[in-house]
Amino acid sequence: LAKTTQPISMDSYEGQEVNITCSHNNIATNDYITWYQQFPSQGPRFIIQGYKTKVTNEVASLFIPADRKSSTLSLPRVSLSDTAVYYCLVGPIGTGGFKTIFGAGTRLFVKA
Amino acid sequence: NAGVTQTPKFQVLKTGQSMTLQCAQDMNHEYMSWYRQDPGMGLRLIHYSVGAGITDQGEVPNGYNVSRSTTEDFPLRLLSAAPSQTSVYFCASSTREVQAKNIQYFGAGTRLSVL
Repeated sequence: LAKTTQPISMDSYEGQEVNITCSHNNIATNDYITWYQQFPSQGPRFIIQGYKTKVTNEVASLFIPADRKSSTLSLPRVSLSDTAVYYCLVGPIGTGGFKTIFGAGTRLFVKA
Repeated sequence: NAGVTQTPKFQVLKTGQSMTLQCAQDMNHEYMSWYRQDPGMGLRLIHYSVGAGITDQGEVPNGYNVSRSTTEDFPLRLLSAAPSQTSVYFCASSTREVQAKNIQYFGAGTRLSVL
């Protein structure tokens, strides 16, 4: 699996857009990029996944440049309830098995 | 549809005691797994199962046993608790197809302290 590097923590204010970047220099051709969100005292929750360019859903957007060596999770207009740990995972899909590896993640703290 | 349910939410044990952490899912998922999460760290895979009667070891299996007699339940047994097993334990489930996309559904966790 490709090693990922994320900032340990980030602070933001309510209403701001937050961008969390994940570096994955050794990403393989068949790897996808997956992001999870973990609120305090809860288990991780899948929020978005992509392979290239841009993916958007009701929670976030995921931007992946052409070289795929990094990706950016974008949270529009954050609120206090977006305070959580965000995990970037990189690995192949379509082959089954347990290859999901969660690193330390990025702890986002949203202030009023 | 409750999703993945873990019990208890909190537990304190003395060194050497044994106990079972319960995990149940009502989504008819074939795949289930157990992780532990230590402060400031990510999740590490303990054991997993791809179906009833089938289990396998993950990254940190020592000191833990599992069995999968039904699709719904996947209990995690601590044979002789040690302080190093103080952690938050998460159970997750998924279908084979969704698991292949690195997507799992997690329970709320069990916070375990071993004194």
